[in-house]
Amino acid sequence: AQRVTQPEKLLSVFKGAPVELKCNYSYSGSPELFWYVQYSRQRLQLLLRHISRESIKGFTADLNKGETSFHLKKPFAQEEDSAMYYCALRAAGNKLTFGGGTRVLVKP
Amino acid sequence: DTEVTQTPKHLVMGMTNKKSLKCEQHMGHRAMYWYKQKAKKPPELMFVYSYEKLSINESVPSRFSPECPNSSLLNLHLHALQPEDSALYLCASSQAYGQGTSYEQYFGPGTRLTVT
Repeated sequence: AQRVTQPEKLLSVFKGAPVELKCNYSYSGSPELFWYVQYSRQRLQLLLRHISRESIKGFTADLNKGETSFHLKKPFAQEEDSAMYYCALRAAGNKLTFGGGTRVLVKP
Repeated sequence: DTEVTQTPKHLVMGMTNKKSLKCEQHMGHRAMYWYKQKAKKPPELMFVYSYEKLSINESVPSRFSPECPNSSLLNLHLHALQPEDSALYLCASSQAYGQGTSYEQYFGPGTRLTVT
């Protein structure tokens, strides 16, 4: 069975500092990983997916199959990045398994 | 229209009540999902409909009864719920569902359900 682990429940950083959200997964097949974000009082939305290999809002994430990780990084955090972030793995079909989530708080 | 809408936004119901949650999308998506999200927890999949047919039921208790009357609409009928069923219920849709598919899921804002 697939599993997604986000070890940090809360990350607090100052504005302008780098931020890295950790995500580790276990899956016997070929994984497809995503990062979803949920801003306060807003709906859950896709931030980025590993197959796109793009940067969204300054965030990047690289799939490391050797370490079974998909960490999310941003070199300079902004206050508007404060939100709940979920790492998710797509298994058979289009079924998503979410990690426990990491709350990011960017302080001024 | 690129949004998934859900009604009502909030619902308070007693354990003997019967109520329904509604979800709608007009993006032409053929897969629709129900998730349950408890406070400070990730969303957990409950049901998946593909082409108006139930594809996945994640061992959800029968007091939750999904219905997909057409490709744009998804309902969740609630009956005899327990207080522990209080949660945010999220609906999502995607272009399709099935082996080899990988489509972005678009989420609705959710219905916050409180069972008293």
